[in-house]
Amino acid sequence: GQQVMQIPQYQHVQEGEDFTTYCNSSTTLSNIQWYKQRPGGHPVFLIQLVKSGEVKKQKRLTFQFGEAKKNSSLHITATQTTDVGTYFCAGEETSGSRLTFGEGTQLTVNP
Amino acid sequence: DGGITQSPKYLFRKEGQNVTLSCEQNLNHDAMYWYRQDPGQGLRLIYYSQIVNDFQKGDIAEGYSVSREKKESFPLTVTSAQKNPTAFYLCASLMGGISEAFFGQGTRLTVV
Repeated sequence: GQQVMQIPQYQHVQEGEDFTTYCNSSTTLSNIQWYKQRPGGHPVFLIQLVKSGEVKKQKRLTFQFGEAKKNSSLHITATQTTDVGTYFCAGEETSGSRLTFGEGTQLTVNP
Repeated sequence: DGGITQSPKYLFRKEGQNVTLSCEQNLNHDAMYWYRQDPGQGLRLIYYSQIVNDFQKGDIAEGYSVSREKKESFPLTVTSAQKNPTAFYLCASLMGGISEAFFGQGTRLTVV
């Protein structure tokens, strides 16, 4: 079955440093989504990428979808303490099929 | 307000007992999902339903059961057959097609 892998599992950075998490699927995806879960909270949707090679930005966050639509990345520039949490990618093989989550990357930011 | 509601937030169960976790949404979403999250871990899919009266097993369905008799509701029963039920359970809904998932606040189940 479809597998979505994410690395690294943990990342500790100093405030102001950059951070990147990578997501890889065993199968081609119709779309990739990114979520953030704050400690003690529930996942909250950040963004969705649909097109091959797509790049989207949200302030300090940059999201990319690979040309083959099997991998994706989230890059945060100049991290802040408010960026703390676990970042998950999630993908669907085909539109409307099951949504499979990666294992997540837990980010801690030291002030 | 539109949203997805899970109840209760905290639940304690004696070993050997079945327990049902509630998930209700008023977003008119077709698809609903149940995930399990263990400390420091990702989201593992238990069951999902893309339409009323139909549901599919996820990756860790053993020891769990669901029903989808109404579009708004997707209750999850944790049975005594689930060997290690203590976990954080998250319910999500989405419209179907390419759409984002909305999560409930979660239910933290502890077996005592």
